Amino acid sequence: AQRVTQPEKLLSVFKGAPVELKCNYSYSGSPELFWYVQYSRQRLQLLLRHISRESIKGFTADLNKGETSFHLKKPFAQEEDSAMYYCALSGLLKQGAQKLVFGQGTRLTINP
Amino acid sequence: GAVVSQHPSRVICKSGTSVKIECRSLDFQATTMFWYRQFPKKSLMLMATSNEGSKATYEQGVEKDKFLINHASLTLSTLTVTSAHPEDSSFYICSAREGRLNEKLFFGSGTQLSVL
Repeated sequence: AQRVTQPEKLLSVFKGAPVELKCNYSYSGSPELFWYVQYSRQRLQLLLRHISRESIKGFTADLNKGETSFHLKKPFAQEEDSAMYYCALSGLLKQGAQKLVFGQGTRLTINP
Repeated sequence: GAVVSQHPSRVICKSGTSVKIECRSLDFQATTMFWYRQFPKKSLMLMATSNEGSKATYEQGVEKDKFLINHASLTLSTLTVTSAHPEDSSFYICSAREGRLNEKLFFGSGTQLSVL
């Protein structure tokens, strides 16, 4: 079974401070991990995925299979980063990706 | 980027009536569409996966006769909440995937259903 856990429902940091949103997963197969973001009054959108190993809007996330974690990090938070963040997981099969399962979400607030 | 249109954005209905929600991929062909339900301050709960031209696969605990899903074409999937009751009030979100990978998964803006 696929399971994603985001232990923090709310996270508040000051502008310019580092931010880390935690995500742990449980999956016996080969996982594909994602971070999605939902800004106020906007739809859910993909932020980044572990396969691409990219940095988007200053955010990075490294898949740690030993700790089954995929924490989202940014060294210097900006006010426009305030949003709801969801960690998501899908299994990756030969025939394609499986369904996407979401964590509970973390509401990030950046204080000025 | 790719656009998924979900309609209506908000609907209020009387208990016992049926409500249909549409999800359209506007500029790509969606081989797979997903329907989620989101409770206030909760995560997105996957209800079902639908592939064009075949029956939807429902998640455990989701009543298939209650939530009818039709994926008649590569650009349209519909979710019909039949005989709606107040406990069906929720935020429903669709997503459409182009191809086989979740990197090309795009979300609709959601439908707030309120059953009186």
